[in-house]
Amino acid sequence: EAGVAQSPRYKIIEKRQSVAFWCNPISGHATLYWYQQILGQGPKLLIQFQNNGVVDDSQLPKDRFSAERLKGVDSTLKIQPAKLEDSAVYLCASSLDWLAGVNTEAFFGQGTRLTVV
Amino acid sequence: AQTVTQSQPEMSVQEAETVTLSCTYDTSESDYYLFWYKQPPSRQMILVIRQEAYKQQNATENRFSVNFQKAAKSFSLKISDSQLGDAAMYFCAYHPGGGADGLTFGKGTHLIIQP
Repeated sequence: EAGVAQSPRYKIIEKRQSVAFWCNPISGHATLYWYQQILGQGPKLLIQFQNNGVVDDSQLPKDRFSAERLKGVDSTLKIQPAKLEDSAVYLCASSLDWLAGVNTEAFFGQGTRLTVV
Repeated sequence: AQTVTQSQPEMSVQEAETVTLSCTYDTSESDYYLFWYKQPPSRQMILVIRQEAYKQQNATENRFSVNFQKAAKSFSLKISDSQLGDAAMYFCAYHPGGGADGLTFGKGTHLIIQP
């Protein structure tokens, strides 16, 4: 079974530039998450999708971050414009279906390490 | 809001010995799930073990076991017969019993295995 795929693995941009990350979840997984992991901290949830709908984006800085999950499969996370404090690892995860009460394991991708200079 | 606290930024253990990583959490829910994840330098989070709060029996997975104390809101991870491949960051995580909300993670414990 293929895991959660993310690209790119690394990205370096200057502040005020824009950047996009891509995630392909495990086939059949309805729930998709984006987490931000700042160095020395645990991951923090940015947004959760159920199929192609957003169920929680309360911690997403909506003035600069946006995310979409078209057709309920792949997802992209965009930052525009980037700030120095956005330097972090961005992790994508998927699970079968939290909302249906099927409490299954969340599988994580290898993340994208973003450096804003 | 739920919080997860890992008070040990770093732990060191000799190969083949036993080590315990601590985790406490705060929640007003009665139904929830607790997890330990391992994050090696590759950055990919790997599930080590999970515990359902309604189960009194502590979860075990081979060399990994937990001590779940619901009243004390404590969830420690014991690694027996430590191996070099166990070296990684370990994160304790909480998930409410149902509905939306992702995982809430602690800050992690860096586990070093001394050969």
